[in-house]
Amino acid sequence: DQQVKQNSPSLSVQEGRISILNCDYTNSMFDYFLWYKKYPAEGPTFLISISSIKDKNEDGRFTVFLNKSAKHLSLHIVPSQPGDSAVYFCAARTGGSNYKLTFGKGTLLTVNP
Amino acid sequence: GAGVSQSPSNKVTEKGKDVELRCDPISGHTALYWYRQRLGQGLEFLIYFQGNSAPDKSGLPSDRFSAERTGESVSTLTIQRTQQEDSAVYLCASSPELVYNEQFFGPGTRLTVL
Repeated sequence: DQQVKQNSPSLSVQEGRISILNCDYTNSMFDYFLWYKKYPAEGPTFLISISSIKDKNEDGRFTVFLNKSAKHLSLHIVPSQPGDSAVYFCAARTGGSNYKLTFGKGTLLTVNP
Repeated sequence: GAGVSQSPSNKVTEKGKDVELRCDPISGHTALYWYRQRLGQGLEFLIYFQGNSAPDKSGLPSDRFSAERTGESVSTLTIQRTQQEDSAVYLCASSPELVYNEQFFGPGTRLTVL
């Protein structure tokens, strides 16, 4: 059973426009959510995170929104740049002594010049 | 400073052979994690180490998989009697302490079992 779902395998946007990447989860015990970016042949790199006590976190061009009632989060990139082209993974963890991350399958974002 | 390094970057082996994958975490990071990513899938947790505490092995898919870590240094992931379904990218990550949410990943080892 997939507890973190990224239902869009790919997304294509024009440079300068907004990119919206979506993620749904099923485990109500998740209390912290992260987005990672991955370029080919490299490991994932941390991008931005949000705690379940918040509904929004912003860092420069990147904003993550969390809707706990819908068990949904989204990553907004504004404005999108060609260098943002990568696979984006949504990840989540529960609290307490469980620190392992549960990842979605990823969404390939392509930003066209 | 240096990031997480992994070796080899690529490994091709025959079914039934044993393989050993190595991870060098960032110096000073007490927590170390192993994940794997099979084709078209997300990252799948395998095991984590925190200092000298007993590791959490709950993600290891079978008893053919094992991992060791000496103190807060290098870790090795061993897969015995490899099967074709073991083909994946094996990723190692480390973090400064177990409660630190951001994990720093290495580039991974691509394992292909023929």
